[in-house]
Amino acid sequence: AQSVTQLGSHVSVSEGALVLLRCNYSSSVPPYLFWYVQYPNQGLQLLLKYTSAATLVKGINGFEAEFKKSETSFHLTKPSAHMSDAAEYFCAVMGGTSYGKLTFGQGTILTVHP
Amino acid sequence: GAVVSQHPSWVICKSGTSVKIECRSLDFQATTMFWYRQFPKQSLMLMATSNEGSKATYEQGVEKDKFLINHASLTLSTLTVTSAHPEDSSFYICSARGDGLQPQHFGDGTRLSIL
Repeated sequence: AQSVTQLGSHVSVSEGALVLLRCNYSSSVPPYLFWYVQYPNQGLQLLLKYTSAATLVKGINGFEAEFKKSETSFHLTKPSAHMSDAAEYFCAVMGGTSYGKLTFGQGTILTVHP
Repeated sequence: GAVVSQHPSWVICKSGTSVKIECRSLDFQATTMFWYRQFPKQSLMLMATSNEGSKATYEQGVEKDKFLINHASLTLSTLTVTSAHPEDSSFYICSARGDGLQPQHFGDGTRLSIL
């Protein structure tokens, strides 16, 4: 079984500041991990994915995430926040089971202040 | 690439009617499609998983006769909310994925409002 915990339901940063969204996972098999972003009244857009290759994964819009097995973490970062980054972010784990079902975290709402 | 189209984006209808939502993968073959429900300020709740040509697998607590899922081709899945009532009002999102380690790609969701 898999589970995902996103620490902090709300994160607020200033424009230009570092963005750090935390995600810890639990999986009984080697995990595949994903970060998705959701803008209001829209579906989810894939930001990046980890599928057992490089532990530092670069995604779209300047985001990246680092897989740390020892910490069971997959935190999402961006060096400099833009106003357009304001959205809800979901971390998800796929445990290599059939059908590729995802287990989502509860989401983190990112607010960016001018 | 990997575009998923969901239609309609917004539906308002009277209690007791049935509503069909379509989910199409536009540029890839979707071996598996998923249907989610999202309540305000909450994460996505998986309702069912469907594979082309097979019966959908529903999550515990999801009524099969209320939420009919058809996955007739590798590019199209439909969700029909039968005899909809106000408590069925929600944001429904579909996703699709290909084979192997492909991620799920999501549609833009359907806002369903039952009066």
